[in-house]
Amino acid sequence: QVHLVQSGAEVKKPGASVKVSCKASGSTLGSYITWVRQAPGQGLEWMGWVSPIDGKAGYAQKVEGRVTMTTVTSSNTAYMDLRDLTSDDTAVYYCARGWTLIWLDSWGQGTLVTVSS
Amino acid sequence: QSALTQLASVSGSPGQSITISCTGTSSDSGPYSSVSWYQQHPGKAPKLVIYEVSNRPSGVPNRFSGSKSGNTASLTISALQTEDEADYYCTSYRSSDTVFFGGGTRLTVL
Repeated sequence: QVHLVQSGAEVKKPGASVKVSCKASGSTLGSYITWVRQAPGQGLEWMGWVSPIDGKAGYAQKVEGRVTMTTVTSSNTAYMDLRDLTSDDTAVYYCARGWTLIWLDSWGQGTLVTVSS
Repeated sequence: QSALTQLASVSGSPGQSITISCTGTSSDSGPYSSVSWYQQHPGKAPKLVIYEVSNRPSGVPNRFSGSKSGNTASLTISALQTEDEADYYCTSYRSSDTVFFGGGTRLTVL
């Protein structure tokens, strides 16, 4: 079973960027790394995926153009870079390892990103 | 598909069975009609409880089962236990490379 460890909480100002990392230990990054976020008191929101195998990625329409998801297989680490932050981006961000886009068997602990002036 | 719809809340007593529904999945039988379910306790990361409509990951009690009929997927939890109290989310494909989550159902075990 893989263990996913995410980087620590971030506080950012509107318009800034944030980069969250997700490091796997105990196994591989799998076929996909998916990123999901959860605003305070809200449900899960799918953001997109990246394939550690070929680097391809797909993003939700809501964040497309502002997000880039990448992996570095040599260090078993995935990254989610989100730009032009607004208060609506305040959320806990989760990475998850997947064998399909919806079969996500291991999740990181979550990273709180707070956007505030 | 435009959305996955779940009831906001459901409740049951210990020992009872409950079913959580998720409407709006693809009604065909191809790979993009598949559904997964996640359990989330407050302040915790989601946990996979059902994948590919009806499969349970190792370690998930067999009290959890999944099914699908037409465009509605269902998660049934039998012999409810207090630790089952959590939020439950369904997820499926919006297209071949995009995914959406249902709004979530809060299960209260009375």
